[in-house]
Amino acid sequence: DGGITQSPKYLFRKEGQNVTLSCEQNLNHDAMYWYRQDPGQGLRLIYYSQIVNDFQKGDIAEGYSVSREKKESFPLTVTSAQKNPTAFYLCASSIAGFSNQPQHFGDGTRLSIL
Amino acid sequence: GQNIDQPTEMTATEGAIVQINCTYQTSGFNGLFWYQQHAGEAPTFLSYNVLDGLEEKGRFSSFLSRSKGYSYLLLKELQMKDSASYLCAVRDDYKLSFGAGTTVTVRA
Repeated sequence: DGGITQSPKYLFRKEGQNVTLSCEQNLNHDAMYWYRQDPGQGLRLIYYSQIVNDFQKGDIAEGYSVSREKKESFPLTVTSAQKNPTAFYLCASSIAGFSNQPQHFGDGTRLSIL
Repeated sequence: GQNIDQPTEMTATEGAIVQINCTYQTSGFNGLFWYQQHAGEAPTFLSYNVLDGLEEKGRFSSFLSRSKGYSYLLLKELQMKDSASYLCAVRDDYKLSFGAGTTVTVRA
């Protein structure tokens, strides 16, 4: 079955530590996205990528970094510069170039501070 | 900037109808999506509107008025499994901007 796999499901970060969240998709989608979800708030866009080796900052990119070396993979690194990283992180993908195509989401990674 | 508003919570009885409103003010518009999200899970796609009018999909319908910056999601014949958060999202170029979501609780 095609889908989006995020790992790990739960992640704990120590102060001053960088952590990387994995996102892999086998839907053959060109576009991939990272969102952050906090209680009582909507999904906020961190980074997005329309094609391999290219990505753009979203609305809340500070303290985060990404790479897109392969079509299937879009890992997100939460750096020590992100002072409030506790949140639910969602990765999504979609067919690029068609505005009616929905984004498909992974099951998310819940990040907490130790 | 993007401004998307939805009610925070709604409660309804099993078998009833509930209408979730969404108003938006965005710098661009390439369609409006509705997603369902159960607690702690991934959002799943429900509907897409880009032209004015009503789109019907089984028990769920979605309406759009572009001139008013307004959409609603109509859930009919409510079931207990419909208890979830419903997210309104507006597409602008390549990006989706999401509202905070409406938590619907279905009571027996």
